[in-house]
Amino acid sequence: EAGVTQFPSHSVIEKGQTVTLRCDPISGHDNLYWYRRVMGKEIKFLLHFVKESKQDESGMPNNRFLAERTGGTYSTLKVQPAELEDSGVYFCASSQRAFGQGSHSPLHFGNGTRLTVT
Amino acid sequence: QQQVKQSPQSLIVQKGGISIINCAYENTAFDYFPWYQQFPGKGPALLIAIRPDVSEKKEGRFTISFNKSAKQFSLHIMDSQPGDSATYFCAAIKTSYDKVIFGPGTSLSVIP
Repeated sequence: EAGVTQFPSHSVIEKGQTVTLRCDPISGHDNLYWYRRVMGKEIKFLLHFVKESKQDESGMPNNRFLAERTGGTYSTLKVQPAELEDSGVYFCASSQRAFGQGSHSPLHFGNGTRLTVT
Repeated sequence: QQQVKQSPQSLIVQKGGISIINCAYENTAFDYFPWYQQFPGKGPALLIAIRPDVSEKKEGRFTISFNKSAKQFSLHIMDSQPGDSATYFCAAIKTSYDKVIFGPGTSLSVIP
């Protein structure tokens, strides 16, 4: 079984530019999450999709961040315009079932996209 | 404000020794406590997890100890090996919200 795939693995952009991160979850996983780790701090939740619907986007920092999951398959996270404080590692994770859907199945994380805004 | 505190920030242990990482939380609504292991360039991977109605859970060389009254839990790695060198994150989840609250991480180095 292929794992969660994220692209690109690294991205270096200038302040004010736009960057789009992509996540391909494990096939059949309806739940898709975005997390990020900034400056070696804790990994923080950004949002949760169930299929194509946003279940919880309470962790999105501001309206410069836009996440989509068209068709309930892969997801994109766009940052526009990027700011210096957006630098960090963005992780995507997927699971078959979330806690609220009965018996929980483990979260599978991708290897992350390291974003550097200069 | 960190909802889950973790210490130490870094840890060096000799091969064969015991690695101990401690975590604490404030929110009594948390009802699931996983530990994640992350190797460089990889994403976090679930290592072991515990629910607050259990005081200890052991899987191989890895043991979680949980103290509900003190709102503290810890990871013990017995017979630590160089291959255990990684960053370890404790975490807490309120399952009705389904978001993982991570601690800041502990960088473990096991030296031969």
